[in-house]
Amino acid sequence: QVQLVESGGGVVQPGRSLRLSCAASGFTFSPYAIHWVRQAPGKGLEWVAVISHDGTNKYYADSVKGRFTISRDNSKNTLFLQMNSLRAEDMAVYYCARGDYGGFFEYWGQGTLVTVSS
Amino acid sequence: EIELTQSPVTLSLSPGERATLSCRASQSVSSYLAWYQQKPGQAPRLLIYDASNRATGIPARFSGSGSGTDFTLTISSLEPEDFAVYYCQQRSSWPPLTFGGGTKVEIK
Repeated sequence: QVQLVESGGGVVQPGRSLRLSCAASGFTFSPYAIHWVRQAPGKGLEWVAVISHDGTNKYYADSVKGRFTISRDNSKNTLFLQMNSLRAEDMAVYYCARGDYGGFFEYWGQGTLVTVSS
Repeated sequence: EIELTQSPVTLSLSPGERATLSCRASQSVSSYLAWYQQKPGQAPRLLIYDASNRATGIPARFSGSGSGTDFTLTISSLEPEDFAVYYCQQRSSWPPLTFGGGTKVEIK
């Protein structure tokens, strides 16, 4: 079955960096665009970034542009999110999600919590 | 950026009742709208894509309708497991992909 498993979350001070990973299994990873979506505590869903199937195209939400970098390693079926210059407002559960139906998300990971606090 | 406005914010209903949730877009998204269900501590689950197509394994009591700027998710008869938060999302014009603010369906 399709599985997406995030890791790398934790507590980090404002201004510091963190790298999230998303390990995929149960499907052929390389043909799919993969997204990051986040959810601040008690809030709604916010799309963060997407990377195309081959890694050539990347798009970001304005709120993270210039600070976050999405990447992937198709040989290891893994997606990454490098988060630099973290702010309090970046605190959220970060989900990776497979892009389906042209931009919807049928498969999600369980999420990893990023806490930004001094 | 396309904004999605969901109403009501909270819907208080009893099991067996019909639920009608609304999502309005700031500009036309054609039929490129999806609905998700999220329960506490869980990832969202795709219910409906392209306005009216049920995703794999979604019960027939869930249905979606609409096009352009106005969309509706209907749950024909609420089951206990349907009490949750529901989000709409558009893929018509992106980036960015955008979500509505959510509607909480709670037990009355």
